[in-house]
Amino acid sequence: DTAVSQTPKYLVTQMGNDKSIKCEQNLGHDTMYWYKQDSKKFLKIMFSYNNKELIINETVPNRFSPKSPDKAHLNLHINSLELGDSAVYFCASSHPSSVAYNEQFFGPGTRLTVL
Amino acid sequence: EDKVVQSPLSLVVHEGDTVTLNCSYEVTNFRSLLWYKQEKKAPTFLFMLTSSGIEKKSGRLSSILDKKELSSILNITATQTGDSAIYLCAVTNYGGATNKLIFGTGTLLAVQP
Repeated sequence: DTAVSQTPKYLVTQMGNDKSIKCEQNLGHDTMYWYKQDSKKFLKIMFSYNNKELIINETVPNRFSPKSPDKAHLNLHINSLELGDSAVYFCASSHPSSVAYNEQFFGPGTRLTVL
Repeated sequence: EDKVVQSPLSLVVHEGDTVTLNCSYEVTNFRSLLWYKQEKKAPTFLFMLTSSGIEKKSGRLSSILDKKELSSILNITATQTGDSAIYLCAVTNYGGATNKLIFGTGTLLAVQP
C-alpha cells in the first residue's frame, strides 16, 4: 500500500561505480521529482518529470540521468560516483490539480554512501 | 535567486512548552508555502498556505501566512516528545508546466521529557 516507494533504501558503493535508484508511485500522479538531501539536511530539487517528459533539470552534473519509462516510475542513474554524491535521495510525486498541485508526497529515501 | 530562510536553525524545549517556528521567503511569482515534518525518513505534509491571514489548524499545530511580510509561522502548543523532528518550509511559484518545492534549511526541534 506504500504510496511512493524507492529501492534500495541503502546503497554503499565505491567511487567510480555506476548505480541506479528506482522510484514508483501508485497514487496516479502525473508528476514525479528527485530531491537530494545533504548532510546538513538541506533538501534541493534535482529533476522533475511530468507525464514522462523532463520539466525541471536543475544544475546537476550530467553524471546524473533520470529516466521515466512511464508516469508511475522515475529512476535515477548515476555514473562515475564521487564522494560528494553521498546523500539521501528522495523521490516525490504530485498531481496537477488546481488545488492540491503543490502537495508533494515523498518516498522513504535512499541513503547513498560513496566510499 | 529564489530563497527560503527558516529560524531558528535548532530549538530545544520541554514537554508542554509552546514553540513558534519562522519561515521567510524571497521568490518570484509566489504561489504557495508548505510546511513539512521530517522525522527519520520522508518529509510528511502538514499544511499548504496560499492566502494571507487565514490560519490553518490541525490539532496542536497551526500555521499562518503573511504575504506582506513574505513570511509564515508554524506554532506547536503543548509540545510532546513525538513532535521532535525537522520542520521544513517550502515555497512554490508559478511558471512552467510543473512546480518545484524550494526548501528552507529546516528547523530541528527537540522536545525533552
